[in-house]
Amino acid sequence: KQEVTQIPAALSVPEGENLVLNCSFTDSAIYNLQWFRQDPGKGLTSLLLIQSSQREQTSGRLNASLDKSSGRSTLYIAASQPGDSATYLCAVRGGYQKVTFGTGTKLQVIP
Amino acid sequence: GAGVSQSPSNKVTEKGKDVELRCDPISGHTALYWYRQSLGQGLEFLIYFQGNSAPDKSGLPSDRFSAERTGGSVSTLTIQRTQQEDSAVYLCASSFSSGTGTDTQYFGPGTRLTVL
Repeated sequence: KQEVTQIPAALSVPEGENLVLNCSFTDSAIYNLQWFRQDPGKGLTSLLLIQSSQREQTSGRLNASLDKSSGRSTLYIAASQPGDSATYLCAVRGGYQKVTFGTGTKLQVIP
Repeated sequence: GAGVSQSPSNKVTEKGKDVELRCDPISGHTALYWYRQSLGQGLEFLIYFQGNSAPDKSGLPSDRFSAERTGGSVSTLTIQRTQQEDSAVYLCASSFSSGTGTDTQYFGPGTRLTVL
């Protein structure tokens, strides 16, 4: 059974800092890994998707890496802004297209 | 274009009643997913459709839960004889395809179900 863990569970940083969110998974047989953000009371917004054959993806201030063999992914956020405050979730897609979500990291960027 | 829509946005029901939740995926998306997010819990995968078929229904919490998809578009998640532990936000997502590992899931706003 796939298990996905995110560390830390919560993070508070001052505006402008660079930060790294971690995601680890137990079964490396995945098709892809996707990072999302969830704002309170709202649905999920896709940030980046990394295919199993890829090592990283970048979008603006975000960079996600994937080390499938070690079961790890990181989401790097550069020059954090208050608008980045949200819960960040990683999700891995495995066999039968089953998607397993991580426990989430709640980020607060303080102005 | 329009995103994934779900209805109703909120549903309050009494224990023992049946409820039906609806998801309209993005036009052209062949894959559709249902998830549940209970208070303070992570997202729980329920079921996935490729077209009208669901190859694996083992994620459904109990036999009170069922889902169908018709015409490769709209999907309904039905919960029979609702229990208080069914209270959660039910999220639907769709993607263009599911076979290549390249597809991105797009989520709807969710249906908040409260069972009294």
